[in-house]
Amino acid sequence: DVKVTQSSRYLVKRTGEKVFLECVQDMDHENMFWYRQDPGLGLRLIYFSYDVKMKEKGDIPEGYSVSREKKERFSLILESASTNQTSMYLCASSFLVSGYGYTFGSGTRLTVV
Amino acid sequence: AQTVTQSQPEMSVQEAETVTLSCTYDTSESDYYLFWYKQPPSRQMILVIRQEAYKQQNATENRFSVNFQKAAKSFSLKISDSQLGDAAMYFCAYRSGGGATNKLIFGTGTLLAVQP
Repeated sequence: DVKVTQSSRYLVKRTGEKVFLECVQDMDHENMFWYRQDPGLGLRLIYFSYDVKMKEKGDIPEGYSVSREKKERFSLILESASTNQTSMYLCASSFLVSGYGYTFGSGTRLTVV
Repeated sequence: AQTVTQSQPEMSVQEAETVTLSCTYDTSESDYYLFWYKQPPSRQMILVIRQEAYKQQNATENRFSVNFQKAAKSFSLKISDSQLGDAAMYFCAYRSGGGATNKLIFGTGTLLAVQP
């Protein structure tokens, strides 16, 4: 069964900590995405990557960075976690061809205290 | 920039009845794709149905169908014979047809409750 795996389902971190959210896909997808989901705001794109070592800013990149050293792995990094980064984080991947939808991970609910 | 609007934050339907979720979008492009995703309490986003803008025929997937009105920029989802398992958050999404890195733009979601 093909899938996108996010390393943690729940995470609690302290303000100021450096936080790593990991995402791995086994579908040989070129594109990978990190979204943030908040009630009433839907899903907002943080960063995406269309190839190894390539990255593009999404709509809300401030306070985040990403890393894609291998095709199957896309990491989201919170350089210095803040309480306003408490949220649900969703990773997704897709083929390069735009007609396909995404395959999503199960999400990581991050709480920053 | 493209936008997607879901004007119904919450909806409710009786089991076995039919419900329609609304979605409108704004774009100047002619080539694009539209999607409906379902997010149950398990949080796993599941693709429900997709529509290619150049196809006039409305997409259907079993009990799920869409009413795609390209001129009106409307893309509603109809769920027939609603089941308890249909209870979830539903997101409408848009993806441009041009370019390889185009991202999905999501609406704010509609929370669907199914009453037994």
